Amino acid sequence: NAGVTQTPKFRVLKTGQSMTLLCAQDMNHEYMYWYRQDPGMGLRLIHYSVGEGTTAKGEVPDGYNVSRLKKQNFLLGLESAAPSQTSVYFCASSDRDVLFLAKNIQYFGAGTRLSVL
Amino acid sequence: DAKTTQPPSMDCAEGRAANLPCNHSTISGNEYVYWYRQIHSQGPQYIIHGLKNNETNEMASLIITEDRKSSTLILPHATLRDTAVYYCIVRVVNTDKLIFGTGTRLQVFP
Repeated sequence: NAGVTQTPKFRVLKTGQSMTLLCAQDMNHEYMYWYRQDPGMGLRLIHYSVGEGTTAKGEVPDGYNVSRLKKQNFLLGLESAAPSQTSVYFCASSDRDVLFLAKNIQYFGAGTRLSVL
Repeated sequence: DAKTTQPPSMDCAEGRAANLPCNHSTISGNEYVYWYRQIHSQGPQYIIHGLKNNETNEMASLIITEDRKSSTLILPHATLRDTAVYYCIVRVVNTDKLIFGTGTRLQVFP
């Protein structure tokens, strides 16, 4: 049981290049999330998904796109990377919360460290 | 969305209890308080959550004041491995989003 796996772990891009970050979870969770964390700051939500085929914007969605074609995978894309997107990216997943009032424990991956030159 | 306020840093001696405060004075009646921690640069790890009653699990205890405007996370016997950034988060009502602040950096020293 691997939990949440992110690939790649490290990447260096040049400005204008594109790339896709992959997040895979083996816990059969309905919800998945992408966050970014800049030095000395907390995590900020980029996009999230409440189920296969659905996505929604978070706090800082500009410059990113996502897709959830399969329940276990959540992809984060950068179409034209910019230096401002240099950050550590974390993926998380959680169980479906039918009542919206009960617990929502998010399980996080180890992160992808991205540098855009 | 209810916001949280935490001290930026705290120290604790190994073996002693670490008490991490959090202020959430604008919390709504049906919003939960969650605590996560982030060790070094790893992904955040869930610790505990609560609504209005005190909670305890194998990792920590959560004390929520009667008016729910503040809470305290207690690590009963801190170890060097508990050195981390601790985030107090209020769950946004009717969504599954967690809004992270900047947290408290807890340093446990020998």
